[in-house]
Amino acid sequence: QQQVKQSPQSLIVQKGGISIINCAYENTAFDYFPWYQQFPGKGPALLIAIRPDVSEKKEGRFTISFNKSAKQFSLHIMDSQPGDSATYFCAAVEGTSGSRLTFGEGTQLTVNP
Amino acid sequence: AAGVIQSPRHLIKEKRETATLKCYPIPRHDTVYWYQQGPGQDPQFLISFYEKMQSDKGSIPDRFSAQQFSDYHSELNMSSLELGDSALYFCASSPRTHPSYEQYFGPGTRLTVT
Repeated sequence: QQQVKQSPQSLIVQKGGISIINCAYENTAFDYFPWYQQFPGKGPALLIAIRPDVSEKKEGRFTISFNKSAKQFSLHIMDSQPGDSATYFCAAVEGTSGSRLTFGEGTQLTVNP
Repeated sequence: AAGVIQSPRHLIKEKRETATLKCYPIPRHDTVYWYQQGPGQDPQFLISFYEKMQSDKGSIPDRFSAQQFSDYHSELNMSSLELGDSALYFCASSPRTHPSYEQYFGPGTRLTVT
């Protein structure tokens, strides 16, 4: 049973557009929500993360929006570039469990030139 | 900046053989995590170590074992390999202090069992 549900599975956007990836969770003990970017054959790279006491966090072109009551969070990539084409994973961490990452299913993003 | 080092990068083994994967965390990181990622799947947590002690255990088969050594590097030992063990194995490290939850992944070891 997937504890973190991610959508869409794949996403195609044009260069300069906005990419939006959504995640939802059930476990209210999760207290840290990172996003990872993964290129084929490479390890996941930490992009940006948020804690549930904050509703939004922005770093450059990447923004996380967090809705604690709905148990949902999303990644927005502004001005998407072909170099952003990768698989994106949302994740959640329950600090008391030893900080293991529980990942969503992943979204394959393609940004067309 | 120094990153997580994993070796070997590629490994081909036959069924029922044994494999050992090594992980060298970022300097001054004392927590190591192991994840398994099948083709087209999200990484699945296997096991983690903090200060050389097992800190958490996930869906790791009994055929697998791991440990963390005094220099904080970790090894994942896999015995009686099965075809289904073919996957990418990632090691991640994090500092236990601050920021405590950020995990930095290595490049992975691609294990192929034939």
